[in-house]
Amino acid sequence: EDQVTQSPEALRLQEGESSSLNCSYTVSGLRGLFWYRQDPGKGPEFLFTLYSAGEEKEKERLKATLTKKESFLHITAPKPEDSATYLCAVQDYGSGYSTLTFGKGTMLLVSP
Amino acid sequence: DVKVTQSSRYLVKRTGEKVFLECVQDMDHENMFWYRQDPGLGLRLIYFSYDVKMKEKGDIPEGYSVSREKKERFSLILESASTNQTSMYLCASSLGTGNEQYFGPGTRLTVT
Repeated sequence: EDQVTQSPEALRLQEGESSSLNCSYTVSGLRGLFWYRQDPGKGPEFLFTLYSAGEEKEKERLKATLTKKESFLHITAPKPEDSATYLCAVQDYGSGYSTLTFGKGTMLLVSP
Repeated sequence: DVKVTQSSRYLVKRTGEKVFLECVQDMDHENMFWYRQDPGLGLRLIYFSYDVKMKEKGDIPEGYSVSREKKERFSLILESASTNQTSMYLCASSLGTGNEQYFGPGTRLTVT
């Protein structure tokens, strides 16, 4: 059974204070790892897909990296508007379909 | 841009009522999904569809059914709503296997 564990559950940063969110996963064969951002009361917004260990993707202040067991979402010099819940999900070759297994998310709060 | 729309943002229903939640995507995606999201439990897959008239059970299908008569539309049906079905319901679509899912804005359903 696929498993995704995100840590920490919640993170509070000061504006400009860089940090990283962790996503550890267990799958039989990783087809893809996905990062989403979710604002309160809204649907998740797609950020990145990573397919193989060593791959990196960047978007503004966010950078996602992937190893064989985990992914990191690095946030550089965050701003208050980066406050959101960040979700990680994996897709397993063994599932046969396009289903994702989601972690429970990291709630990020960036204070001015 | 991919757009996924859901029929209602907020819905209040009584116990025992039949409830229809509709989802429409405008990008000719093959796959469509219904999730529910609850605090502490994360996103859980209810049903998904990989083609018109095709459906597969997700992790928590009990008490729900689905319908996909047209490629762009995927409906979630609560045959007899119960209070434990009070939740945020999220629809998503994806182009195919290995591709990211795009989410709608969500429907906050309250069953009283």
